[in-house]
Amino acid sequence: SAVISQKPSRDICQRGTSLTIQCQVDSQVTMMFWYRQQPGQSLTLIATANQGSEATYESGFVIDKFPISRPNLTFSTLTVSNMSPEDSSIYLCSVAGRGYTFGSGTRLTVV
Amino acid sequence: RKEVEQDPGPFNVPEGATVAFNCTYSNSASQSFFWYRQDCRKEPKLLMSVYSSGNEDGRFTAQLNRASQYISLLIRDSKLSDSATYLCAVNSNSGYALNFGKGTSLLVTP
Repeated sequence: SAVISQKPSRDICQRGTSLTIQCQVDSQVTMMFWYRQQPGQSLTLIATANQGSEATYESGFVIDKFPISRPNLTFSTLTVSNMSPEDSSIYLCSVAGRGYTFGSGTRLTVV
Repeated sequence: RKEVEQDPGPFNVPEGATVAFNCTYSNSASQSFFWYRQDCRKEPKLLMSVYSSGNEDGRFTAQLNRASQYISLLIRDSKLSDSATYLCAVNSNSGYALNFGKGTSLLVTP
């Protein structure tokens, strides 16, 4: 299975600011997925990131709020823009393989 | 109806007990099914894939019932270390990403 390095592992941010989360994969993958897991909830898919094209966003998530970059087949970033306390959550990237592998997550607290 | 539904529990069982979790899914065209384990403050980790014929991995058995659109996970001889949240996952309408249930919490007690 692929190994994913995700950072930062956690951050506390002021409302109105932005945070960029990075995921580096140890092998080339076609698709990367970004999820959000709010406290006590399951994982919700934010978007699918393909290299060389715009990300595909799920209902309720928009590019202006969660811009994604996918410059190559091993790397992706998710930015949480103009943050509010409601954005406090764990953000995870994932890649498909034998099953799906996840990064270790970014625990974001917005104050 | 949510795409993937699970009984949230919690399930509190003594060591050595057998416990079963069920998960239902709404998309009859789904082809890929998984059980994940998530420990507190950790990312989900793949426990096992679920195959049509059912599959077993040590103390863990997974079953798929396509007609009723549910998958199950059976844990035999529960260990304290099995305490975690168990998430079922089914491939999404797009076929590529996964949709997850809310997870079922298991606490195995001495």
